Amino acid sequence: DARVTQTPRHKVTEMGQEVTMRCQPILGHNTVFWYRQTMMQGLELLAYFRNRAPLDDSGMPKDRFSAEMPDATLATLKIQPSEPRDSAVYFCASGFELSGNEQFFGPGTRLTVL
Amino acid sequence: AQSVSQHNHHVILSEAASLELGCNYSYGGTVNLFWYVQYPGQHLQLLLKYFSGDPLVKGIKGFEAEFIKSKFSFNLRKPSVQWSDTAEYFCAVNTKSGYSTLTFGKGTMLLVSP
Repeated sequence: DARVTQTPRHKVTEMGQEVTMRCQPILGHNTVFWYRQTMMQGLELLAYFRNRAPLDDSGMPKDRFSAEMPDATLATLKIQPSEPRDSAVYFCASGFELSGNEQFFGPGTRLTVL
Repeated sequence: AQSVSQHNHHVILSEAASLELGCNYSYGGTVNLFWYVQYPGQHLQLLLKYFSGDPLVKGIKGFEAEFIKSKFSFNLRKPSVQWSDTAEYFCAVNTKSGYSTLTFGKGTMLLVSP
């Protein structure tokens, strides 16, 4: 049963610290997405990769957030420095573009910045 | 840019009641449409999807949705809800433009009382 995995599942950190979230997409998928979910804003797209190349990161605060795919099995989302307003659940999703763009979501990382 | 609106933020029903959740999108071209469900504390899971063909789509757990192109709508229905259907439901749209990103609605929280 192929699944998207994310680590860590929970992260509590102090303001100013660096946070790195990791995602392993489903093997064979060629698109990866990072979303942030909050009560106020709902689901927001932060970044989108196709074949490991970043295609859209317009939803991401550029000054502190960065997203990369060092290889096809790993996507990372980094926040440096973190701020309390970054507290949210961060979801990674993957898909295969020729299959109608259905996205499969990971379990999320719940981030709390104190 | 496309947008998705879900009419109800919260819906409360008793078990065995019928459910209809509204979803409208704004995009003039051809679309793929999705309903995702998020059970408390869990990640988003696909309920059903529409790509083409029969506008009445059946998904898992007895859910169905009807695509009405003239109304730009993709409403979710279930004839008889169960307590286990308590969850947040998200409508999403993707345009068939080669870009894989999904635009999500704000979500509808469904609470089913036993």
